[in-house]
Parts: sequence; C-alpha cells; structure tokens
Amino acid sequence: SQQGEEDPQALSIQEGENATMNCSYKTSINNLQWYRQNSGRGLVHLILIRSNEREKHSGRLRVTLDTSKKSSSLLITASRAADTASYFCATGRGGYQKVTFGIGTKLQVIP
Amino acid sequence: NAGVTQTPKFQVLKTGQSMTLQCAQDMNHEYMSWYRQDPGMGLRLIHYSVGAGITDQGEVPNGYNVSRSTTEDFPLRLLSAAPSQTSVYFCASSPLRQGATNEKLFFGSGTQLSVL
Repeated sequence: SQQGEEDPQALSIQEGENATMNCSYKTSINNLQWYRQNSGRGLVHLILIRSNEREKHSGRLRVTLDTSKKSSSLLITASRAADTASYFCATGRGGYQKVTFGIGTKLQVIP
Repeated sequence: NAGVTQTPKFQVLKTGQSMTLQCAQDMNHEYMSWYRQDPGMGLRLIHYSVGAGITDQGEVPNGYNVSRSTTEDFPLRLLSAAPSQTSVYFCASSPLRQGATNEKLFFGSGTQLSVL
C-alpha cells in the first residue's frame, strides 16, 4: 500500500482564497516533499521539509510537519488560477532512500 | 542542461511484446527511479537505484526489469507486456545527501504506454 495519503482528494476554491492540503503517512521518515503536477506532465518539486523541522516557507507556500501525528500540511496563500494542478506529498525513508508518493489532491482555482 | 530525458514519449504495444523505456540524466545524480501513474492511484514506485550496479524493488516491481550500468542511464524493461501495464511512466533522479538521504526529485516528461 502507498505510504502517503492526501486529503482532500479534490479541492475547488476561488482565486485569492487560501488552499490547504493534508498528507498523512504510515512509517518514520527522513524527509517529506511536496510536488505539483500540471495536466499529466512531469512533477515539479515545491518544497522539502526534514524530519527535524516543523515548518517551512517558500514564497506563497507554507508546509508544516508533525512527526508525532505522521502528518503534513501544505498551505497555498492567495491562490491564483495558475495554481490549478494536482499536488502530491512524497516521503523519503529507509537506509537507501525509497521515495513514495500519495494519491494526490486535485486543486482547482476558479478565476 | 537537459535534466532528465525520457524516450519515447508515446508507445503502443501488443500483449506479449517487449520493449525498453529509456531514461538518461546529465546531473550526475546517484539516485534514479521509475514510477507509474494510473488514474486515482497517484505515482507508484517500480524500481530504484542508488548508484551504478545497485538496484532495488519498489512498490510494484512485477513485470519490470531494470539495470544501472552507468550513472547516467536507467532503462526500464518490459519483458512481456500486459494490458495491466498500460500507464504513464515517469523517470526521476536526485542527488543523495551525505550519500544516503534523497534531496528533491527531478522528473522526466513521461512516457505514455498503451498495451493492447
């Protein structure tokens, strides 16, 4: 079974609103990453948070990590139509790194 | 700097045919991996490698073979294609921090494979 699960699976918001996506995972990790995918194209890395970090920011993105709850959240502030995409969390774990993905959240930002 | 290059972009096979999906990266990354993406399933890890001569299985390895003879190349072989292998395949690479921990993955643009 897959390591990560995103919630919700689909999200529709108005431009300018904030979008929050959550990711839960099952086993201990070294880091957690968020990726964006536009229309079946290759994934693009957004942000990486290590297991000893609790919060990280990058532009309009804010990621939190709670290792005690095995969960992470991605907040996109002041969303834009161009943010419309699928968002995936990925966890890196193990001695040799297996990076496994969740099933993704499909975000639609309505202009 | 080309990054991660996948070929072909599209492929149609008949059941039982074999083929190799090519993946090459020019960033000297130790880690390379193959994923398949199916609707509603997200990305599932097929095989991965942490360096030349070292490969390991991911979540869904059955029906696929890999080898890593050079740092740059990580081909994925389907020995006898089945309709269940119809999917979009992505190759990805990353450096390994301190030789062990992944940094961010760089993805190729994908191969859309249909098996009839």
